[in-house]
Amino acid sequence: DTEVTQTPKHLVMGMTNKKSLKCEQHMGHRAMYWYKQKAKKPPELMFVYSYEKLSINESVPSRFSPECPNSSLLNLHLHALQPEDSALYLCASSQGQGAQNTIYFGEGSWLTVV
Amino acid sequence: GENVEQHPSTLSVQEGDSAVIKCTYSDSASNYFPWYKQELGKRPQLIIDIRSNVGEKKDQRIAVTLNKTAKHFSLHITETQPEDSAVYFCASKQGSQGNLIFGKGTKLSVKP
Repeated sequence: DTEVTQTPKHLVMGMTNKKSLKCEQHMGHRAMYWYKQKAKKPPELMFVYSYEKLSINESVPSRFSPECPNSSLLNLHLHALQPEDSALYLCASSQGQGAQNTIYFGEGSWLTVV
Repeated sequence: GENVEQHPSTLSVQEGDSAVIKCTYSDSASNYFPWYKQELGKRPQLIIDIRSNVGEKKDQRIAVTLNKTAKHFSLHITETQPEDSAVYFCASKQGSQGNLIFGKGTKLSVKP
């Protein structure tokens, strides 16, 4: 089973709202990722968690705040977003962070900021 | 840092023909090269991958080749079918950091 589950699938939020995206995996993977994908572009890495600790933050604005409550869950808290933040947000996981570990993507959360 | 170039950006083939997509990478420390297929409105789905200790890998109609010396790798799809139509992304990954660096994608259209 290579299932990474994301909720919600679609989210529309205003620029003053606070919302969260959620991600869950039960594969025992110890690395979890957030990617952002704009239309017709490849996914761009935002954050990496390894063993529940933030490993990489790719200079993401503070209006995006990741959280890893436990080894199976990954959240992305959203606050004061801009319309240009509208995109597909993909969660992913892998056994570990090393290069030999395959990365599996969730279905994504489509975010629209109005 | 690593840079991955992918060509062509669009590819149109007739059903039954073969399709080849090529990628080059810049960092000789990269040692894992996956290929993802993304259909419209869906997630990237891993279709095949290759590690740097292997030169070629095949899975039914899909094959990937890796030339470490030239720093390029290619995806080969034989006997293409309309359901192969999608955007294909190559990527590279290195060492302990494990960040996937993606190419810009190739939109493959298979005409019936």
